[in-house]
Amino acid sequence: DAGVTQSPTHLIKTRGQQVTLRCSPKSGHDTVSWYQQALGQGPQFIFQYYEEEERQRGNFPDRFSGHQFPNYSSELNVNALLLGDSALYLCASSFGGGGTEAFFGQGTRLTVV
Amino acid sequence: AQSVTQLGSHVSVSEGALVLLRCNYSSSVPPYLFWYVQYPNQGLQLLLKYTSAATLVKGINGFEAEFKKSETSFHLTKPSAHMSDAAEYFCAVSKNQAGTALIFGKGTTLSVSS
Repeated sequence: DAGVTQSPTHLIKTRGQQVTLRCSPKSGHDTVSWYQQALGQGPQFIFQYYEEEERQRGNFPDRFSGHQFPNYSSELNVNALLLGDSALYLCASSFGGGGTEAFFGQGTRLTVV
Repeated sequence: AQSVTQLGSHVSVSEGALVLLRCNYSSSVPPYLFWYVQYPNQGLQLLLKYTSAATLVKGINGFEAEFKKSETSFHLTKPSAHMSDAAEYFCAVSKNQAGTALIFGKGTTLSVSS
């Protein structure tokens, strides 16, 4: 049983560029949440997708956007990258709009230079 | 607004010693509280969670935590540390028992020496 998979594992981008991160949920899950974990900090909730719609959102600017596909996989897009966007981006999946325990992927390490 | 505070960014213990990682919460409603562990270059793994069914919660790998409303605390303990317990530990709070839109503390790094 494949768990939550994220791609790529590492990424280096230049300030001002745009980036897309991808997440495939655990088998049987239909809900995807994204978190940003800056170095030395705890993860911060970005948003959650269920039934292809953004259901909840944390305190992040509109530069952060997402999408969920019919197969429940999800993308996180960040526009106009800032140095401060450098972080580990974690994806978590669950079932039923978050009605079950969330399982986390290993994350994508984004470095903005 | 909900929040959690983890006291001590680093905790060092000897193998076989008691592990105590501290977490205090702030919530205007009954909280759902969680402890997660993160090993290097890995995602987060749920250790245990409090959902009001019992104040003493047992989790995986011998960890347990006690919910104390009077102290607004949810400290994580393990009677005897193993080398494999060395990792980053996060306390988190959520508005629901499934743990969506989690609010995390800053984390505590646990080091275990032989």
